[in-house]
Amino acid sequence: ETGVTQTPRHLVMGMTNKKSLKCEQHLGHNAMYWYKQSAKKPLELMFVYSLEERVENNSVPSRFSPECPNSSHLFLHLHTLQPEDSALYLCASSQLPGQGSSGYTFGSGTRLTVV
Amino acid sequence: EDQVTQSPEALRLQEGESSSLNCSYTVSGLRGLFWYRQDPGKGPEFLFTLYSAGEEKEKERLKATLTKKESFLHITAPKPEDSATYLCAVPDYGQNFVFGPGTRLSVLP
Repeated sequence: ETGVTQTPRHLVMGMTNKKSLKCEQHLGHNAMYWYKQSAKKPLELMFVYSLEERVENNSVPSRFSPECPNSSHLFLHLHTLQPEDSALYLCASSQLPGQGSSGYTFGSGTRLTVV
Repeated sequence: EDQVTQSPEALRLQEGESSSLNCSYTVSGLRGLFWYRQDPGKGPEFLFTLYSAGEEKEKERLKATLTKKESFLHITAPKPEDSATYLCAVPDYGQNFVFGPGTRLSVLP
C-alpha cells in the first residue's frame, strides 16, 4: 500500500464506549497529524507528532488520547465522547523540517458518529 | 494570529462557465500558500504550492495565482468532475498549517 491509510472508514459509538482510530503512512515521512473536520468549519489541528514525539496539543479534551508507537503508525484513542465530537477525523503526514513543496498527505478519514 | 479566509462559501456553475475562488491570508512571513481539493468523504488532496507574489501554477482546467495578500484559483470551462471543496492553507510559525474554511464548488451538467 502507498500513501496514508486510515481505519475504520466509518465508526458509530455510544458515549460510554472506548474505541481507537488507526493511521498508517508508507511515505517515509517523519511527522504525523490528527485533524478534526466538522461541518462548515475549518480543519482543526488536534495533535502533532514529530519523530514520534508529541510536539503540539491544541487544547484537545482528555477524552481524546493520541499514541505514536513509531514513525509509520498513529492512533487516536477515544473514550466517553460527546455527540459534538461527531466529525471526520483526518490523519496526515509530512516531512519536516519545512513542509516541502507538497505539504501534507492526508488519509481518507474516519467518519465518527457519537450516539 | 495567522488567518485564512475563503470566498465564496459555495459556488454553483454551469458546465463550461469559468469563475474564480478567493483565498485571503494574514501571516507574518509567508512560507508558501497551498491549495487542496477535497471530495466528499475523503481527505484533502494536494493541488498547488505558491511561494511568491506573481507566481502562477496550472493543472488541467485549474490555475492558481498569488499576490501579497491573496490567492485565486481560476477554473476555466469547468466540468462536473471538478465539483469538490477547495481548501487553501498557509504554514504557521510552528510549521503546521492554518486552513481556510473552503469553497464548495458544484458544476452542473
